[in-house]
Amino acid sequence: DGGITQSPKYLFRKEGQNVTLSCEQNLNHDAMYWYRQDPGQGLRLIYYSQIVNDFQKGDIAEGYSVSREKKESFPLTVTSAQKNPTAFYLCASKPGQGAYEQYFGPGTRLTVT
Amino acid sequence: AQTVTQSQPEMSVQEAETVTLSCTYDTSESDYYLFWYKQPPSRQMILVIRQEAYKQQNATENRFSVNFQKAAKSFSLKISDSQLGDAAMYFCAYFGRWVQGAQKLVFGQGTRLTINP
Repeated sequence: DGGITQSPKYLFRKEGQNVTLSCEQNLNHDAMYWYRQDPGQGLRLIYYSQIVNDFQKGDIAEGYSVSREKKESFPLTVTSAQKNPTAFYLCASKPGQGAYEQYFGPGTRLTVT
Repeated sequence: AQTVTQSQPEMSVQEAETVTLSCTYDTSESDYYLFWYKQPPSRQMILVIRQEAYKQQNATENRFSVNFQKAAKSFSLKISDSQLGDAAMYFCAYFGRWVQGAQKLVFGQGTRLTINP
């Protein structure tokens, strides 16, 4: 089945540690996105990538890093510089420049204590 | 920059009745798309309905329909014959087709819909 997978569903880390969230898609989509969701707020864009080996900062990129070495993979690293990393993280993808509909993964709940 | 506002943090409706969720947006673009996404307790984002700005006809998907008022920049979602499975957070989202760069979705803050049996 085609889709987007995010692992793990729940992730726990100690403060000061970097952590990497996985996002994989087998939809052959060009563009991939990372969003953060906090209670009472909509989704906010962290980073996006429109093609392999290229990515751009979104609205809240500070404290995060990404890579896009393969078309199907777009991992997000939450660094120790991120001041408030506890949140729900959603990955999405869409076919390409002319497409408009984004498809979402199931999300990862990150808790940092 | 584009913004999306959902002024109703919470709504409730009796099962089988109709409810309307409000959304307004701000943009200077003429070509764009609007979406309603549903996020149930599983937190999976599910596309409910989409509307192309150049289409005057309001989109419908079974029990879900929209009232798109382009001049007023309003995009409300009507759910008819509400069912218990409709209980979720609902997000309104804007997508600017020709924006340089991100082609990103801009989301509202969400409306939590409760269905009373």
